[in-house]
Amino acid sequence: DGGITQSPKYLFRKEGQNVTLSCEQNLNHDAMYWYRQDPGQGLRLIYYSQIVNDFQKGDIAEGYSVSREKKESFPLTVTSAQKNPTAFYLCASSPRTGLISNTGELFFGEGSRLTVL
Amino acid sequence: RKEVEQDPGPFNVPEGATVAFNCTYSNSASQSFFWYRQDCRKEPKLLMSVYSSGNEDGRFTAQLNRASQYISLLIRDSKLSDSATYLCVVSDASGGSYIPTFGRGTSLIVHP
Repeated sequence: DGGITQSPKYLFRKEGQNVTLSCEQNLNHDAMYWYRQDPGQGLRLIYYSQIVNDFQKGDIAEGYSVSREKKESFPLTVTSAQKNPTAFYLCASSPRTGLISNTGELFFGEGSRLTVL
Repeated sequence: RKEVEQDPGPFNVPEGATVAFNCTYSNSASQSFFWYRQDCRKEPKLLMSVYSSGNEDGRFTAQLNRASQYISLLIRDSKLSDSATYLCVVSDASGGSYIPTFGRGTSLIVHP
């Protein structure tokens, strides 16, 4: 089945450690996104990528880094510089603009819940 | 800064009630509009797209008012299973890709 897979689902880390969240999709989508959600809050955009080897900062990119070396993969690293990293992280993808099927709908993974101890 | 505003609620309604949510957006050039549903501790899932002409899917009706920059969601005959958070999403096209902006969500609790 086509979809987006995020791992790990739950992750604990100590302060000062970097951690990388995996996001893989087999939908052949060009665009991929990382969002962060805090309790009672909406989703806030961290980074997005429209094409391989290119990515753009979202609204809250500080303390995060990404790479897009393959179309299928868009890993997110939460660095020690991120002051409050405990949150629910959601990866999403969408087809590239211009395709008839693309109305801007996002397809989400099940999320990764990061807790800093 | 592009913003999407929603009343966070919670809306607490009995089964069978009709409930309406509104959402306003700041970017008049926004192109695509959606309502997503999010259950507790789960990922958001698309409920319905919102078209200028309005659209209906069973008990759910979505409307878009571009002049006033708001979208609405009407749920008729509420079920217990409708309890969730409803997220308003507005997408702007940028460099060949849609950049979706999410509202904070409106919480709905349907009780017996």
